[in-house]
Amino acid sequence: EDQVTQSPEALRLQEGESSSLNCSYTVSGLRGLFWYRQDPGKGPEFLFTLYSAGEEKEKERLKATLTKKESFLHITAPKPEDSATYLCAVQPFPSGGYNKLIFGAGTRLAVHP
Amino acid sequence: DAGVIQSPRHEVTEMGQEVTLRCKPISGHNSLFWYRQTMMRGLELLIYFNNNVPIDDSGMPEDRFSAKMPNASFSTLKIQPSEPRDSAVYFCASSFPFDEQFFGPGTRLTVL
Repeated sequence: EDQVTQSPEALRLQEGESSSLNCSYTVSGLRGLFWYRQDPGKGPEFLFTLYSAGEEKEKERLKATLTKKESFLHITAPKPEDSATYLCAVQPFPSGGYNKLIFGAGTRLAVHP
Repeated sequence: DAGVIQSPRHEVTEMGQEVTLRCKPISGHNSLFWYRQTMMRGLELLIYFNNNVPIDDSGMPEDRFSAKMPNASFSTLKIQPSEPRDSAVYFCASSFPFDEQFFGPGTRLTVL
């Protein structure tokens, strides 16, 4: 069964304190791994897609990396505005053209000044 | 583009009433998804449409739930009759095939 596990469930950082969020996955075949950010009361907002092991993508203070079993979201020198829930999702190779995302439970990040 | 539009943003109803949630996807996207999000279960896929055709509704919890997509710019999710355990935030998302999904702001449903 395809599964996505995110850790930690919650993370509290001081402003400027770098850290990483983990997304471990089990999937029969991976077409892509997606990272989203969700602010309270809003829908998830797309951040990155990674397709192959070794791939990295960056956006401001965020960098996402991918291996064959997990992905990391590295946050460098975070600011309070980076506080949000970060969701990871895997897209298995499509069966019959099916475009499905399987989401993890998310990591709630709080960055304090 | 205005993004994915959902209405209403908030819905409070009594048990047994019919609830209809609405979604307008991003123009040009031909994949549409309905999700439900709760603290206990996280983000769950309910149903997925491709070119207005339902592809997989295995996530729909039971026969009380139904979804339609009469055209490329409109979809509905209906719950009849509603129950307190249906209380959740319901999201609609759209995409091009296999690309990233763009989510709407969600409808927060409370069933009393």
